[in-house]
Amino acid sequence: DAGVTQSPTHLIKTRGQQVTLRCSPKSGHDTVSWYQQALGQGPQFIFQYYEEEERQRGNFPDRFSGHQFPNYSSELNVNALLLGDSALYLCASSQLRDRGALAEAFFGQGTRLTVV
Amino acid sequence: DAKTTQPPSMDCAEGRAANLPCNHSTISGNEYVYWYRQIHSQGPQYIIHGLKNNETNEMASLIITEDRKSSTLILPHATLRDTAVYYCIVGPGGKLIFGQGTELSVKP
Repeated sequence: DAGVTQSPTHLIKTRGQQVTLRCSPKSGHDTVSWYQQALGQGPQFIFQYYEEEERQRGNFPDRFSGHQFPNYSSELNVNALLLGDSALYLCASSQLRDRGALAEAFFGQGTRLTVV
Repeated sequence: DAKTTQPPSMDCAEGRAANLPCNHSTISGNEYVYWYRQIHSQGPQYIIHGLKNNETNEMASLIITEDRKSSTLILPHATLRDTAVYYCIVGPGGKLIFGQGTELSVKP
């Protein structure tokens, strides 16, 4: 089992550009969440996808959007990049259980995005 | 989601038990207590979670007080590889709200 895989591992973009990050969840998981982690901070929740729909969203602008595919993999898109978007972007997969509770989340190693 | 309070840093001698406290006095009845850790430059790693009862797995034990307002993560025999930032998170199990965590340093 490959666990959660993210690509690319590192990326450098220019202000104003758009970026797409990809995530493949752990086998058997149906829920994907995305987090942004700035240097020295804890991860911040961006949004969560289940059944190809955004189920929950954190306090991030509409420049951040996502998608989940039928095979449960997911993409995170960020438009009009700002210098402040430089961070480690983490994907986590989990399995939705009864009453909406989630089992433990498994994280990928992240994509390090640098905006210059 | 309930807020958690953790000490910013702790030291532990190698081979000794590491006891990491967490206060979550505003926890509600349907919220779980989750513990994750993050070793430098890696993604967070799930450790353990619980609702009311104490839990134990191959990595750690989780002790939740009867009123559920605080908990303690116990690493029974800390090793140098347990040096990491440990996050206590309280929530219904959807989004995870990370605080600043406790930076645990295990020393020889």
